[in-house]
Amino acid sequence: EIVLTQSPATLSLSPGERATLSCRASQSVGSSLVWYQQKPGQPPRLLIYDASDRATGIPARFSGSGSGTDFTLTINSLEPEDFAVYYCQQRSKWPLTFGGGTKVEIK
Amino acid sequence: EVQLLESGGDLVQPGGSLRLSCAASGFTFSSYAMTWVRQAPGKGLEWVSAISRSGGISGGPTYYADSVKGRFTLSRDNSKNTLYLQMNSLRAEDTAVYYCARGGGDLAFDLWGQGTMVTVSS
Repeated sequence: EIVLTQSPATLSLSPGERATLSCRASQSVGSSLVWYQQKPGQPPRLLIYDASDRATGIPARFSGSGSGTDFTLTINSLEPEDFAVYYCQQRSKWPLTFGGGTKVEIK
Repeated sequence: EVQLLESGGDLVQPGGSLRLSCAASGFTFSSYAMTWVRQAPGKGLEWVSAISRSGGISGGPTYYADSVKGRFTLSRDNSKNTLYLQMNSLRAEDTAVYYCARGGGDLAFDLWGQGTMVTVSS
């Protein structure tokens, strides 16, 4: 099973700042890495697929990068609605797995 | 409207069974792999099971997390645009919100339902 480790667990930032979230895989997943955003009481929302492609309707301030085992989600200039939990997920090998999540909270 | 609507969540005793359903609308259901993801209270996301576009008894692969293998069975009825998750031998650790999502190994989960709550407790 591919283990995804997200860091940090919590990121405390102010609106307007840049958020940098990390996801590290226990083995290569190529570019088959996905990012989701989840707000309290809501289902996850797809942000980034194939490591760097933004899903439909996702603002340009969200960007993904990386390949192999190291991936980054960057949120430029945080908006109030961006404070949420972010999960990475690999779809390279079965079983599919998620990272433990990074909570981006208001400082 | 493109949507997924889960149903069937309930309070069940340990060892009991439950069947979840996910009704799809607004898109060609048979063209997509489908998945269940669960989230225990206050915890992260856990992938549960996925089924190919034509998966189930009629053919095509179905996949399970080790934590549910042998207890859960995923199936679909493309004529009814519905996904099913039969859950047997339920345990307290199966308590979670269960989300139906469009996609599988070949695609990211680009559409999610609102979830249905399963509570396993005596």
